[in-house]
Amino acid sequence: DQQVKQNSPSLSVQEGRISILNCDYTNSMFDYFLWYKKYPAEGPTFLISISSIKDKNEDGRFTVFLNKSAKHLSLHIVPSQPGDSAVYFCAASETGNQFYFGTGTSLTVIP
Amino acid sequence: DVKVTQSSRYLVKRTGEKVFLECVQDMDHENMFWYRQDPGLGLRLIYFSYDVKMKEKGDIPEGYSVSREKKERFSLILESASTNQTSMYLCASRATVVTEAFFGQGTRLTVV
Repeated sequence: DQQVKQNSPSLSVQEGRISILNCDYTNSMFDYFLWYKKYPAEGPTFLISISSIKDKNEDGRFTVFLNKSAKHLSLHIVPSQPGDSAVYFCAASETGNQFYFGTGTSLTVIP
Repeated sequence: DVKVTQSSRYLVKRTGEKVFLECVQDMDHENMFWYRQDPGLGLRLIYFSYDVKMKEKGDIPEGYSVSREKKERFSLILESASTNQTSMYLCASRATVVTEAFFGQGTRLTVV
């Protein structure tokens, strides 16, 4: 059973607007969450992470929000740029254990 | 700069062949992982290793084995390749404490 879910396979956003990518998880023991960005024919690259002791982490245009009670996290990209067009994976783990990945959301930023 | 290197970007193999996928990291990380990525299924863990000569099965280990004789190298072995093993294979490494994993560039394997 999928422990990490990304229910939106794709998302299109106008350049300059906000992109919001969502992720849900089922295991309440997860305490570390990450977002990765992946271009075709390349490996995923790390974007941003958050531990369960926080509810928000910001890095430049990227902000991750964690709602532990809802078992939900989201990635906000503001402002969105055409170079942000990629597949975004969320991942979760319990400290020291394996990562569980979602199925990915393909973001297209329209110029 | 952090580096995880996979030996091949593209491979084409025949059904029944034994296939070796090699991965090397230069960060002295203890943990190494092999994933496969398929459309609509995300990244699924095949095997991982917490230390030299140690290995643990992931979610989909059937048809695969691994070898970790040296800390920097983690090999994935397809004992007898089948067409359903056509996929993108991704190697990753991570330090022991809770940190992000770093991925290689991926190997696109096609089994014909």
